[in-house]
Amino acid sequence: QVQLVQSGAEVKKPGASVKVSCKASGYTFTSYGISWVRQAPGQGLEWMGWISAYNGNTNYAQKLQGRVTMTTDTSTSTAYMELRSLRSDDTAVYYCARDPQALYSSGWYGYWGQGTLVTVSS
Amino acid sequence: DIQMTQSPSTLSASVGDRVTITCRASQSISSWLAWYQQKPGKAPKLLIYKASSLESGVPSRFSGSGSGTEFTLTISSLQPDDFATYYCQQYNSYSPFTFGPGTKVDIK
Repeated sequence: QVQLVQSGAEVKKPGASVKVSCKASGYTFTSYGISWVRQAPGQGLEWMGWISAYNGNTNYAQKLQGRVTMTTDTSTSTAYMELRSLRSDDTAVYYCARDPQALYSSGWYGYWGQGTLVTVSS
Repeated sequence: DIQMTQSPSTLSASVGDRVTITCRASQSISSWLAWYQQKPGKAPKLLIYKASSLESGVPSRFSGSGSGTEFTLTISSLQPDDFATYYCQQYNSYSPFTFGPGTKVDIK
């Protein structure tokens, strides 16, 4: 069965970086993409970007351009999302989700990770 | 960016009720719309994609309709497991894919 298992909760200081991992199993990793979505406490969902696990192509939300990097390690079927220059408003649960397409983001997600809480606080 | 709105923001209903949630896009998104259900502390669950396609394993009491700028999610007979928050999401345009603000369905 398809599973996406994310790394554990993080506490970071403003200005620091965080790298969240998402390990996939139960399917051929390189045949799909991975998108990242975050949710601030008590708030709605925000799409952050997408990476192709096939060729590494990315597309990031303009709001996060320059601060976010998404990568994959096909040898371990793991996707990573790094966010730099953290601010208090980056405090959120970060989710990875499997995108049905490998060459472009189809935008709808049938499988999600369990979420990773990132808290930014001095 | 394409803006998504949902109405109502909160909906109080009883088991067995027919429930309809509306989602509107600030510009045409064809049928590139998904609906998700989210319960507290859990990841969203895909219900509907491409406006009206039911995700595998989702009960048939859920249905989606619409195209262009106006869409609806209907629950034909509300069940106890359906009390949750529902989000629509457009994926017509990359810049960026946007979600609606959510509709909370609670017990009347």
